[in-house]
This record gives sequence, structure tokens and C-alpha cells, in this order.
Amino acid sequence: DAGVTQSPTHLIKTRGQQVTLRCSPKSGHDTVSWYQQALGQGPQFIFQYYEEEERQRGNFPDRFSGHQFPNYSSELNVNALLLGDSALYLCASSLLGQNEKLFFGSGTQLSVL
Amino acid sequence: EDKVVQSPLSLVVHEGDTVTLNCSYEVTNFRSLLWYKQEKKAPTFLFMLTSSGIEKKSGRLSSILDKKELFSILNITATQTGDSAVYLCAVPNSGGSNYKLTFGKGTLLTVNP
Repeated sequence: DAGVTQSPTHLIKTRGQQVTLRCSPKSGHDTVSWYQQALGQGPQFIFQYYEEEERQRGNFPDRFSGHQFPNYSSELNVNALLLGDSALYLCASSLLGQNEKLFFGSGTQLSVL
Repeated sequence: EDKVVQSPLSLVVHEGDTVTLNCSYEVTNFRSLLWYKQEKKAPTFLFMLTSSGIEKKSGRLSSILDKKELFSILNITATQTGDSAVYLCAVPNSGGSNYKLTFGKGTLLTVNP
């Protein structure tokens, strides 16, 4: 039973560029959430997707956008990258209505130079 | 806005020691409190607490919640080097079916042989 998978594992970009991160949820899960974890901080909620729609959003600018596909996989897009976007980006999946136990992927480490 | 504060931020112990990690929270409508262990990258679920005074146990780990004083503790007895990790405390958002976790900064536990 595959858990949550994310790609790529590492990524280096320069300021102003755009990036796309990908996530495949745990088998059977229909809800995907994205979190940003800066060094020395706890994860911060970016947004959640269910039924291909953004259901809830944290305090992140519009440069952060996402998408969920019919197979429940998801993408996180960040435009006009800033140095401060350097962080570990975590994807978590769950079943709607059973959200207490999130399953996290191993993340994508993004470095913006 | 929901808030979670963990202490200490870091802790170094020797194998066999017992440790206590603290988590205090502020949330409008309490639903639950969760503990995660983060080794390397992916946080993994440890406990969910919903009621005061009921201790959750899993092997050498245990946790208890005090809803009156708004805090939780995570105890680890007879620590092992494999317990070295960041321990994260989180609370879900206050209402609705959507689910956002607010995390603390975590406690970095280092267990030396």
C-alpha cells in the first residue's frame, strides 16, 4: 500500500522563477493538503483540496496556487519565487470526514537562490 | 487565530532517560490535539487527544491532555537513540468539515548513546 508520494525530493530555483510540486495521496484518500515548513518552524497550512476544488486556504499570497486531478493527485504551483519561499513543502492526504489522522509525504525541499 | 506553543525547543538527553515535552494551545472551539514525530522529513502520527485526563499510551510513549489549563504533555520513558526526532504538537481549526492543522515549532529531541 503506497503512502503519500511527492516529487521531486529536492529542487533549486532562482528568484522570479516558477515551480510546480507534485503529490500522490495514499491509496483510498480523497483529500490533499499542502504545508510549508521553514527551517526551525512547524508546518504552516497553505491550502486543502477536495473534489478538485480548493476548500480552505491559509495565509499565503496568490502566488501560491494548486490543483487537484480526478485521480486525487495534486500540484502546488508557486510563481515569482522569493528567497523566503525556501522551505520544505509537505503534502498530506486524508479521507474527508476522517481528517484527524493526516498522512504526510516526505516533502520537497525547495531552495531559492 | 489558533496558537500552539511548544517547550522546550530543543532537548539533549542520554539513552535511558525519561523526557517530558510540553504543548500549550489557544483555540476558539477545541476539537482535538495531535502529536506527530518528524524524523528526517515526513511527520508521522503518534496520538490524538480529545478528552481531559485520559492518558494515551503506545509502548514507551504516553500523552495526556488538560483542557482546563489548555496544555498537553508527551512523555517518553527509557529513551533510545531512535527516539531522536522533532516532536510536533498541532490543533485542528475550530469549525466546519474542512481541516487545517496549526502546528507548534516543535521540540528537537536528541538522544545520545
